[in-house]
Amino acid sequence: RKEVEQDPGPFNVPEGATVAFNCTYSNSASQSFFWYRQDCRKEPKLLMSVYSSGNEDGRFTAQLNRASQYISLLIRDSKLSDSATYLCVVNANAGNMLTFGGGTRLMVKP
Amino acid sequence: SQTIHQWPATLVQPVGSPLSLECTVEGTSNPNLYWYRQAAGRGLQLLFYSVGIGQISSEVPQNLSASRPQDRQFILSSKKLLLSDSGFYLCAWCLAGVGEQYFGPGTRLTVT
Repeated sequence: RKEVEQDPGPFNVPEGATVAFNCTYSNSASQSFFWYRQDCRKEPKLLMSVYSSGNEDGRFTAQLNRASQYISLLIRDSKLSDSATYLCVVNANAGNMLTFGGGTRLMVKP
Repeated sequence: SQTIHQWPATLVQPVGSPLSLECTVEGTSNPNLYWYRQAAGRGLQLLFYSVGIGQISSEVPQNLSASRPQDRQFILSSKKLLLSDSGFYLCAWCLAGVGEQYFGPGTRLTVT
């Protein structure tokens, strides 16, 4: 079993749609969780950290469910510019070692 | 503010040739530094990380090596490249004790 698993997609959605991605992780001792965004042929960029209480940043909402060991990302009112690959990332120890999921590709269509 | 630089941006090298990729970070001290590789259509694979000058940990045994000669400089090397070394090489930094990492623009390596 992979340490961090994501549906690779692609998720094809129309502009304005709401889309949700889930990610599961295997290490119950994981301490920190993040979503990164990666555009084609570019470096990953931090989108948001995921807190136990859930957090929201504009159109983006992240949730953490420790009991079920999954993380979610909700994007509301999708824009064409949201098209990218979204990486679920988990920090399982105090050594700042991150484990990356394979990414979920989102394509927002006009 | 902190910035991270990588060079070169792209590189085409023949099999058996040496490699040297450089990464530097500005605006911070004593960062943790990381080298990742991303093969085409694949996820990120951690290659090396460093918590200080001269301190290198290898995650994947292979024909690559890393060095940290200065606090904010991280170098990825190979004596002889293989075809399988092709990929997108990313350097990242973070502050010790803080989880999120920040990536450089990457070097796209093609071994022919």
